[in-house]
Amino acid sequence: DQQVKQNSPSLSVQEGRISILNCDYTNSMFDYFLWYKKYPAEGPTFLISISSIKDKNEDGRFTVFLNKSAKHLSLHIVPSQPGDSAVYFCAARDQGAQKLVFGQGTRLTINP
Amino acid sequence: KAGVTQTPRYLIKTRGQQVTLSCSPISGHRSVSWYQQTPGQGLQFLFEYFSETQRNKGNFPGRFSGRQFSNSRSEMNVSTLELGDSALYLCASSLVIDLDTQYFGPGTRLTVL
Repeated sequence: DQQVKQNSPSLSVQEGRISILNCDYTNSMFDYFLWYKKYPAEGPTFLISISSIKDKNEDGRFTVFLNKSAKHLSLHIVPSQPGDSAVYFCAARDQGAQKLVFGQGTRLTINP
Repeated sequence: KAGVTQTPRYLIKTRGQQVTLSCSPISGHRSVSWYQQTPGQGLQFLFEYFSETQRNKGNFPGRFSGRQFSNSRSEMNVSTLELGDSALYLCASSLVIDLDTQYFGPGTRLTVL
């Protein structure tokens, strides 16, 4: 039972354009959402997060949008840069269970 | 400040053997979580320790176990290895139980032949 789903295993975007990574969830008890970025041979690194009481959080080139009614969140990267090429994981915090639930990841490739 | 370290980085075992993986959290962090990463499954939560106590456990069989020591270092053990246990095992530490931000180690790549 995949409570957090990233339906696109891969995404290819031109350098300078916008990258949009999507994530859907099923558990309405999730109260906090995070995005992690992972390079090969390294552990995931925290990128940006959003509380369920907000619908948008911005940090530089990265913006996360949360649509609670649709149980959907997205990560926007503008403008995309070659260094953004990595695997991106969305994660949701189940406060009741005190644990993070991760999606399967989306591999983002930025083409020069 | 040193990051999360995991040893060994790579491991090859055969079916039926057991394996122990080690994780040293960031200094001062008391919460350590373990995850299994496999292609197509993403990161799946194994368990979480805080102050030497297992606080949470994921949906893995009893062959997967762990412990945490008084210095917050943690070990994970998998007994009677199966081919499907081949994966990247990631350890993450955080300051407290609150999972706002976890810092991940580079992982241990386990291959079961």
